Amino acid sequence: EDKVVQSPLSLVVHEGDTVTLNCSYEVTNFRSLLWYKQEKKAPTFLFMLTSSGIEKKSGRLSSILDKKELFSILNITATQTGDSAVYLCAVEPDNYGQNFVFGPGTRLSVLP
Amino acid sequence: DAGVIQSPRHEVTEMGQEVTLRCKPISGHDYLFWYRQTMMRGLELLIYFNNNVPIDDSGMPEDRFSAKMPNASFSTLKIQPSEPRDSAVYFCASSSNGEIQETQYFGPGTRLLVL
Repeated sequence: EDKVVQSPLSLVVHEGDTVTLNCSYEVTNFRSLLWYKQEKKAPTFLFMLTSSGIEKKSGRLSSILDKKELFSILNITATQTGDSAVYLCAVEPDNYGQNFVFGPGTRLSVLP
Repeated sequence: DAGVIQSPRHEVTEMGQEVTLRCKPISGHDYLFWYRQTMMRGLELLIYFNNNVPIDDSGMPEDRFSAKMPNASFSTLKIQPSEPRDSAVYFCASSSNGEIQETQYFGPGTRLLVL
């Protein structure tokens, strides 16, 4: 069965720290991997990754995918209290009729 | 725990038909969320419940959509009549606490195709 695993499940850091969030997956056929930030009721989209080795960046956030080792990382540099949220990783299988599979999320708390 | 359970996993229907999606949250979770995912709009929150009571339904697109939670272990999302633009993946999620930073556990989703 398709599965997405995230680690750590919970993380507490101080402002200015750099964090790395991990997402590993098992899917029969892979199409894309998505990262979301959830700080209120609905997750907001961060990145979609489809190709290995190509880093995507948005400000202090960056992400990269390794399709050989079946994982992705999300980096946040110079963290701020506003980065406190749950970060969700989701994988889209490349099979007709297969739904996205979400991981359990990493709860990040950034202390002042 | 089996996690959040959704049924059916896939639904294909004709325009104008009624569609009912079902969700069983994780036992003990007080919050239940319904989301819709499309490539165009991404992940959208439709409605969420706390202790079986709808709290915020501002994301429900129109009157054709309705959601109920008759008890703590079951919720439905109904579309009547369905339209092709309703085609999407509908996710149900639950959490033990509706506060910011509480992890929501997502179900596998229901992929709906309206012809």
